[in-house]
Amino acid sequence: ITLKESGPTLVKPTQTLTLTCTFSGFSLSTGGVAVGWIRQAPGKALEWLALIYWDDDKRYSPSLKSRLIITKDTSKDQVVLTMTNMDPVDTATYYCAHRLDGSGSDSFDYWGPGTLVSVSS
Amino acid sequence: QSALTQPASVSGSPGQSITISCTGTSSDIGSYNYVSWYQQHPGKAPKLLICDVSNRPSGLSSRFSGSSGVSNRFSGSKSGNTASLTISGLQAEDEADYYCSSYTINSPVVFGGGTKLTVL
Repeated sequence: ITLKESGPTLVKPTQTLTLTCTFSGFSLSTGGVAVGWIRQAPGKALEWLALIYWDDDKRYSPSLKSRLIITKDTSKDQVVLTMTNMDPVDTATYYCAHRLDGSGSDSFDYWGPGTLVSVSS
Repeated sequence: QSALTQPASVSGSPGQSITISCTGTSSDIGSYNYVSWYQQHPGKAPKLLICDVSNRPSGLSSRFSGSSGVSNRFSGSKSGNTASLTISGLQAEDEADYYCSSYTINSPVVFGGGTKLTVL
């Protein structure tokens, strides 16, 4: 299983960020599978953003829910995260990750390398 | 401010055991056995160490390789609203940041603030 994030490295304040997670080794049409997005501001803790499940169920961080949209394209093996109204505090490394099968926890066993997104005018 | 509270730092000498705590509430750790632990080395993506409070993931998923598996030196537990990660036989390579996460009544995932482990 591998995952890789792609998207812009620099966005301006108020713009919309679109990140793509391209994965291999699993299918998002298989029961129990899910992909999540997590970010980490420089020197700060991990922050969970969103999850999308094989059945198209979607969950969002309550504090960011109004700004996030997560979608999947099973034919392309991709998950897309959109975040609106970007602000400099959103500067972070953004990771996508595969949810571990067979556990009750929404924990992540495979991660992409991450992509650093800076927000600045 | 993270929903789960971890000590900012812990330290230990090689060969010793250390424990990192992760304190939540009755809305998360106290009500669900869905606590996970991650290790993160500088500049790297996190690595899953423990799921479901005390399970090493290599024992759950037949497809899990998780960077060659998780050492049995890492163990997890829970008591009330607090989860703990114990690392026994501390090694220099264990020096890293550690994060807990839990299911909550409001969200499937919330992370702790992270703990920096220093091996003296």
